[in-house]
Amino acid sequence: GEDVEQSLFLSVREGDSSVINCTYTDSSSTYLYWYKQEPGAGLQLLTYIFSNMDMKQDQRLTVLLNKKDKHLSLRIADTQTGDSAIYFCAAHQGGKLIFGQGTELSVKP
Amino acid sequence: ETGVTQTPRHLVMGMTNKKSLKCEQHLGHNAMYWYKQSAKKPLELMFVYSLEERVENNSVPSRFSPECPNSSHLFLHLHTLQPEDSALYLCASSQDGGAGETQYFGPGTRLLVL
Repeated sequence: GEDVEQSLFLSVREGDSSVINCTYTDSSSTYLYWYKQEPGAGLQLLTYIFSNMDMKQDQRLTVLLNKKDKHLSLRIADTQTGDSAIYFCAAHQGGKLIFGQGTELSVKP
Repeated sequence: ETGVTQTPRHLVMGMTNKKSLKCEQHLGHNAMYWYKQSAKKPLELMFVYSLEERVENNSVPSRFSPECPNSSHLFLHLHTLQPEDSALYLCASSQDGGAGETQYFGPGTRLLVL
């Protein structure tokens, strides 16, 4: 079955760019998602990319997909303290969303 | 506000108690989901309902019993739980449960089993 992996922690300074990485194993995954979870809250959909795209940009967010390497990344430009949260990568496979463990992003002033 | 609400937000229960979690979606969706989020583990899909029919049961113990009386409401009935069932339980909905659909999540119920 699908396996989705992320690094657990990332720390950046306010104003820098953050890059959160994700790898997945099943090349037939159709959609790939990024969700954000703030403390005590549920998951908020940030953006998604269809598997036939290489890149998608939405304001400060840029998603890059390398289908050959099964690698997905989320770049947050001009990272703010309000961006501190856990970011989950998820792959849509066989009608299910398979989630990674989440990357905890810490933004230092 | 995602259009998916969950109650209660926090719940503490003993192992012999019976309680229910409630989820309601105001998005006109036909598919609803229960997920379990434990510390330092990926989200685990528990159940999927589409048009009030259960279409997925991901090997969940019988002490968790879902109920979907209509497409807007989803319940998770809990009985004789174990301490390891303590987790954040998240509800989500999507249009029809098909491939590529975006799932919208509620805020979750934080459950502690003593």
